[in-house]
Amino acid sequence: DVKVTQSSRYLVKRTGEKVFLECVQDMDHENMFWYRQDPGLGLRLIYFSYDVKMKEKGDIPEGYSVSREKKERFSLILESASTNQTSMYLCASRNHKLAGESSYNEQFFGPGTRLTVL
Amino acid sequence: KNEVEQSPQNLTAQEGEFITINCSYSVGISALHWLQQHPGGGIVSLFMLSSGKKKHGRLIATINIQEKHSSLHITASHPRDSAVYICAVPSKSGGGADGLTFGKGTHLIIQP
Repeated sequence: DVKVTQSSRYLVKRTGEKVFLECVQDMDHENMFWYRQDPGLGLRLIYFSYDVKMKEKGDIPEGYSVSREKKERFSLILESASTNQTSMYLCASRNHKLAGESSYNEQFFGPGTRLTVL
Repeated sequence: KNEVEQSPQNLTAQEGEFITINCSYSVGISALHWLQQHPGGGIVSLFMLSSGKKKHGRLIATINIQEKHSSLHITASHPRDSAVYICAVPSKSGGGADGLTFGKGTHLIIQP
């Protein structure tokens, strides 16, 4: 059974703290994604990674960085957490090679991490 | 960048009713995703379709590529169908590993 796991379901941090959100997939997928989900705004792409050590900015990368040292793990880093980063964070992975156009392959989502920054 | 509009934003219906959720997008694409999110956050993929119609149990998805429009239908709705339904399209035309652009979702409640 395919699986994407995230390190925490709920997380509370203080303004200015450095925050690490971890995502692990066991499907040997090349592509991985970090999204945030906010009421009224839907899901928005923060960063994505084509493959190990590769990363691309999404639509809202400001205030975030990522790390992909191993194929199965994609980390989202909040260098200095702020209250406007309070949100639900979702990780996803996708097989790049399954079909001719990878954008149309299924994305598998983790359960999400609800982050509150006080 | 593709823009995605979903309607309605909220929908409350009685058990057994036929449900329709609509999705429109701005830039031509070859395939579209429908996703379901239950309370608690987990998202699962329901359909990916590039033309015509797909059916899975009581769920039916249709797409009209020329009109840039897709619909998700639920027949004989049940309270367990209560969830947020999300439409998504590739962010850019063409291939590559770029992500999806999502609609804001339709919050569906089916009352017994």
